[in-house]
Amino acid sequence: EIIMTQSPATLSVSPGESATLSCRASQSVGDNLAWYQQKPGQAPRLLIYGASTRATGIPARFSGSGSGTQFTLTISSLQSEDFAAYYCHQYNNWPALTFGPGTKVDIK
Amino acid sequence: QVQLVQSGAEVKKSGASVKVSCKASGYTFYSNGITWVRQAPGQGLEWMGWISPYNGNTNYAQKFQGRVTMTTDTSTNTAYMELRSLRSDDTAVYFCARGARPIDYWGQGTLVTVSS
Repeated sequence: EIIMTQSPATLSVSPGESATLSCRASQSVGDNLAWYQQKPGQAPRLLIYGASTRATGIPARFSGSGSGTQFTLTISSLQSEDFAAYYCHQYNNWPALTFGPGTKVDIK
Repeated sequence: QVQLVQSGAEVKKSGASVKVSCKASGYTFYSNGITWVRQAPGQGLEWMGWISPYNGNTNYAQKFQGRVTMTTDTSTNTAYMELRSLRSDDTAVYFCARGARPIDYWGQGTLVTVSS
């Protein structure tokens, strides 16, 4: 099983600042990596797939990068609606797909 | 628009089974697989498995092998996930979602509470 780790566990950011979230895979997943945003009491929402492709309707302030084992989600100029939990997800190792433990972005 | 609407919350006793439904609309049901993911209270996301409505093929996470069955009914565009021999640590919100690589649209989630 591919183990996904995310850092930091919690990130405190002021509105308008940028946030950089990291995700690492225990072995290469190529670019088969997605990022999801989840707000309390809601289902996750797809932000990024293929490591760097924004999903439909996702604002340009969300960007993804990386390949292999190291990935980054950058949120530029955080808006109030961006404070949430973010999960990375590898879908390379079929059928043993795994999620990272998440990073919570809260208001500083 | 793509929608996945799940059945309501369930409370079950330890050792019982639960069956959660997920009705899809807004797309051609058999053209995308359905993935099931669960989330224990305050915890992260856990991939449970996937089913193809096109041919019924399934793939289950090893952790759930022998205890989970995923099915679909293409006449009603509905997917089902049955989990047996429930334990207290199965208490979680269960999500259905479209696709697998990647998962794109998600249902609203179904809370399953297991009590002893």
